[in-house]
Amino acid sequence: QSVLTQPPSASGTPGQRVTISCSGSSSNIGSNTVNWYQQLPGTAPKLLIYSNNQRPSGVPDRFSGSKSGTSASLAISGLQSEDEADYYCAAWDDSLNGPDVVFGGGTKLTVL
Amino acid sequence: EVQLVQSGAEVKKPGESLKISCKGSGYSFTTYWIGWVRQMPGKGLEWMGLIYPGDSDTTYSPSFQGQVTISADKSISTAYLQWSSLKASDTAMYYCARLENIVTSNWFDPWGQGTLVIVSS
Repeated sequence: QSVLTQPPSASGTPGQRVTISCSGSSSNIGSNTVNWYQQLPGTAPKLLIYSNNQRPSGVPDRFSGSKSGTSASLAISGLQSEDEADYYCAAWDDSLNGPDVVFGGGTKLTVL
Repeated sequence: EVQLVQSGAEVKKPGESLKISCKGSGYSFTTYWIGWVRQMPGKGLEWMGLIYPGDSDTTYSPSFQGQVTISADKSISTAYLQWSSLKASDTAMYYCARLENIVTSNWFDPWGQGTLVIVSS
């Protein structure tokens, strides 16, 4: 059971806009920034969004992130076939045992 | 170009020891934390721990404390993840990643290509 909760799957047709949610608590998303990683099939994860809503250079502006309270979301507009991948949210958790990095369980995005 | 290159796939038997590596290049290896992340077959990402190669300060996820050892050799810009006695449940892909930060924000970028560890009798 992951600390951050994501829907296991999402889908959309080319050109559509899809959003992926990430729910946490006051000790993680509520008090720290959220990052998103994209994992294309058979490859290593890649940073997609950092610090809630910042895109690294090279990431298309079709990808955007937001955070409100203890939840965050990733939006992908103008969906393309190459966006088919697993998406993970992540945040630091200020647990009693010390800072901890927590991930969501991942959302498999299918482009229909 | 900032790059992390990991050692190759390993096939081991239960009870054997193993040390896998992650070599950094293109940046000052001693001034960034390196993290290790496990991905079991068909599953999600799990953070294992971090090391600061500059002074080998290390922090572990409670889930992995005592199960693995993270170390680094700054003279060759390489971080390590090791097991003293592997179990079948250690079968997974293991990634290293550099921890970037600005003020209170932290994120992993870039990631190594991954090292597949298979533990089977």
